Amino acid sequence: AQSVSQHNHHVILSEAASLELGCNYSYGGTVNLFWYVQYPGQHLQLLLKYFSGDPLVKGIKGFEAEFIKSKFSFNLRKPSVQWSDTAEYFCAVIGDSGYSTLTFGKGTMLLVSP
Amino acid sequence: SQTIHQWPATLVQPVGSPLSLECTVEGTSNPNLYWYRQAAGRGLQLLFYSVGIGQISSEVPQNLSASRPQDRQFILSSKKLLLSDSGFYLCAWRAGGYGYTFGSGTRLTVV
Repeated sequence: AQSVSQHNHHVILSEAASLELGCNYSYGGTVNLFWYVQYPGQHLQLLLKYFSGDPLVKGIKGFEAEFIKSKFSFNLRKPSVQWSDTAEYFCAVIGDSGYSTLTFGKGTMLLVSP
Repeated sequence: SQTIHQWPATLVQPVGSPLSLECTVEGTSNPNLYWYRQAAGRGLQLLFYSVGIGQISSEVPQNLSASRPQDRQFILSSKKLLLSDSGFYLCAWRAGGYGYTFGSGTRLTVV
């Protein structure tokens, strides 16, 4: 069975600070990886995704994530956060099998102070 | 375009009362449909998924059930709600590939 672990449940940063949110997964085969974001009062939205190819993927709003297969990790980064990045961030994984379903981590609540 | 609708947005129900949450998808056919629950500090937990009409797979044994009476309709139900059923319920669909699209969710508070 697949699982996802997010290292931090709450992160507090000041504007312009750099961000890195950790995500590790466990799965016995080929995986597809996602970061979703949920802004206060809004839908869950896709931030970025990795299926194959370049392990460094770029998403919306200046976010990027790096897939490191040897470490089973898919950490999310942003060089300079803004107050509007305050949200909850979820890492998710789905296996290559047609029967696989999307499994989420427990989420990281990011609070950016102005 | 493809859209997903969930209602109601918020719901407060007494313990022991029944529940029915509805999710419908537009602009696609034969989607895979999913119900997730988001509880504080527990992330999103997959409850049920359906690959077609009348086909329901349950991921977690609980006080809830799901039904898919039509191709683009997915219903989450309970005969008697428990306090522990409180949470944020999200419907999602997957038309192909690996991407999921989520509805706006229902905030359920059982009192």
